[in-house]
Amino acid sequence: GAVVSQHPSWVICKSGTSVKIECRSLDFQATTMFWYRQFPKQSLMLMATSNEGSKATYEQGVEKDKFLINHASLTLSTLTVTSAHPEDSSFYICSARETGATNSPLHFGNGTRLTVT
Amino acid sequence: DAKTTQPNSMESNEEEPVHLPCNHSTISGTDYIHWYRQLPSQGPEYVIHGLTSNVNNRMASLAIAEDRKSSTLILHRATLRDAAVYYCILNQGGKLIFGQGTELSVKP
Repeated sequence: GAVVSQHPSWVICKSGTSVKIECRSLDFQATTMFWYRQFPKQSLMLMATSNEGSKATYEQGVEKDKFLINHASLTLSTLTVTSAHPEDSSFYICSARETGATNSPLHFGNGTRLTVT
Repeated sequence: DAKTTQPNSMESNEEEPVHLPCNHSTISGTDYIHWYRQLPSQGPEYVIHGLTSNVNNRMASLAIAEDRKSSTLILHRATLRDAAVYYCILNQGGKLIFGQGTELSVKP
């Protein structure tokens, strides 16, 4: 089955530093990937849609300069949390579906637990 | 965004069927209904999806109302490993917007 790999699975960083999270589709190509954030005891919140070869589309209220998204190939999207602060501590989850299959299921990574101290 | 409404929590006994309801009264004609589940500290896992007809797979069945304003996820025999948060989501143009989901607990 389709697999999405997310790395790292957890990271601890100091306030003011930047952290990069990778999302890879291992056995399929994904023109579009999605980034979500999840706080404890809450549902997933869609942050942005990552489009291969073009700019990401951000949801309302998500700062594009703080959450940099790069989707340089059909199998890799990265999310960089810039100048991280403790309030950015959260569970970040990426997802992807096969190119051209808009109504097919999304495949999710196992998430990255970010803790900013 | 069209929204879905689910009960916050449900309980089930092991090896009994479970029916998880979902209301989506503002669904449009091209919106697929997706179900995912999430275990603690993991990414969501796909369960099933459908458009109009009922669907079956190895994990569950999806019963869709004739007017498509509601659907029910059916786990035929709940196991302890089925305890999770279940999300019913409308696929609108490829985007999935998660609601609060139903937390299912399974008692042995």
